[in-house]
Amino acid sequence: EVQLVESGGGLVQPGGSLRLSCAASGFTFSSYSMNWVRQAPGKGLEWVSHISSSSKTIYYADSVKGRFTISRDNAKNSLYLQINSLRAEDTAVYYCARAPSGTYSRFDPWGQGTLVTVSS
Amino acid sequence: EIVLTQSPGTLSLSPGERATLSCRASQSVSSSYLAWYQQTPGQAPRLLIYGTSSRASGIPDRFSGSGSGTDFTLTISRLEPEDFAVYYCQHYGNSPYSFGQGTKLEIK
Repeated sequence: EVQLVESGGGLVQPGGSLRLSCAASGFTFSSYSMNWVRQAPGKGLEWVSHISSSSKTIYYADSVKGRFTISRDNAKNSLYLQINSLRAEDTAVYYCARAPSGTYSRFDPWGQGTLVTVSS
Repeated sequence: EIVLTQSPGTLSLSPGERATLSCRASQSVSSSYLAWYQQTPGQAPRLLIYGTSSRASGIPDRFSGSGSGTDFTLTISRLEPEDFAVYYCQHYGNSPYSFGQGTKLEIK
C-alpha cells in the first residue's frame, strides 16, 4: 500500500524554524517527484513546493520563496521541508503528495498532513 | 500564473440529484493538466479526476470530468451521502501548480 506520513509540525514563535518530514512507503520513492501543499485553517489548498525524483528540478510558490527549502533523501525514502522565518500566515496543515507522472503531474496520493502553528 | 475560479462557492443539493461544478481558468490551459480533488472534513484531499476526464483508481463512475480551453466541469451524476464534501480543481501544467478556491457541496 502506498503511504505518506508527515511529521515535524508543532507550535513555533514568529521568526522561528521547523523541519517537516514525509516518510514514504509502498512504492519506489526515488522514481517519483513530490510536492508540499498547505491549507490554512478553514481555507483552501495552496501548493508550496515541488521536487523532482533526482532533486534536479525544484519549484516554490512565490509566497515561500527564500524562506522554505525542499529536499529529499532517496536512500531514506523521505521528503523534507525546511521552513524558516515563520510568519502567522504560514499557520496551516502541510501535506506531502506524490506526483505519479513527473514534474507536470496530478497529486496522488496525499499524506494525512502535519499542523504548523505560528504564534507567540 | 494561471488563476482558477470555481463556481458556485456552495452548492446545496439532495442525495440522488445531479451536481455540476465549474472551474474557469484565467487563460487557456491544456486539458492534459487539469485535475479535481475531493476533501471531506478532517481528511486529506483525494484525487478524483486527472487529465480533465480520466477517473483515478477506485473512483466510482458517477464522477465525470469534461471541458477544454478555459472552462472545465466536474459532474456527479447521482449524489450519494458520502459525496457531500469540498471539491477543488487544479492545474498542474506548469509552476505554480494552482488550485481553485473550492466548491462546497452540502446537503439540502
